[in-house]
Amino acid sequence: DGGITQSPKYLFRKEGQNVTLSCEQNLNHDAMYWYRQDPGQGLRLIYYSQIVNDFQKGDIAEGYSVSREKKESFPLTVTSAQKNPTAFYLCASSIQEGPSPLHFGNGTRLTVT
Amino acid sequence: AQSVTQLGSHVSVSEGALVLLRCNYSSSVPPYLFWYVQYPNQGLQLLLKYTSAATLVKGINGFEAEFKKSETSFHLTKPSAHMSDAAEYFCAARPSGGYNKLIFGAGTRLAVHP
Repeated sequence: DGGITQSPKYLFRKEGQNVTLSCEQNLNHDAMYWYRQDPGQGLRLIYYSQIVNDFQKGDIAEGYSVSREKKESFPLTVTSAQKNPTAFYLCASSIQEGPSPLHFGNGTRLTVT
Repeated sequence: AQSVTQLGSHVSVSEGALVLLRCNYSSSVPPYLFWYVQYPNQGLQLLLKYTSAATLVKGINGFEAEFKKSETSFHLTKPSAHMSDAAEYFCAARPSGGYNKLIFGAGTRLAVHP
């Protein structure tokens, strides 16, 4: 079955460490996205990519970095510069054209202490 | 900038009662609109979408939503709530035309009690 795989499901890190969240899709979608979810705030866009080797900052990109070396993969690195990294992170993908919905992975819950 | 407002962060209904979750968007041009559902510790699942083909949109699990341009609203309804409907619901908008970047509301948590 086609879908989006995020790993790991739960991740724990010490403050000051960088951590990379994995996102892989086999839907053959060109566009991929990373959202951050905090209670009561909905989803906020961190980064998005429309095509391989290209990506753009979203609304809250500070302290995060991404790469898009392959169509299927869009890893997110949470750096030590991110002030409040503890959150639920969601990866999504979509086709580019028309009113296409986003397809979401099951998320990674990151806890930094 | 476009925004999406969901009225009521928590809604509680009895099993069998009508479910009404409210969503308003701010845009002079009707965007594409979506409703998603999220169960605990999971990703978002698409319930339905509005793409200007019809103002009343039917989705999965018995949900439907009506687009009202005059009210800039896209409220989600279900005639009879089931215990399994308890989840968080998100309304999202994307400008028609242009890049596929969704703007989400803050979400409404639906509780269903016996």
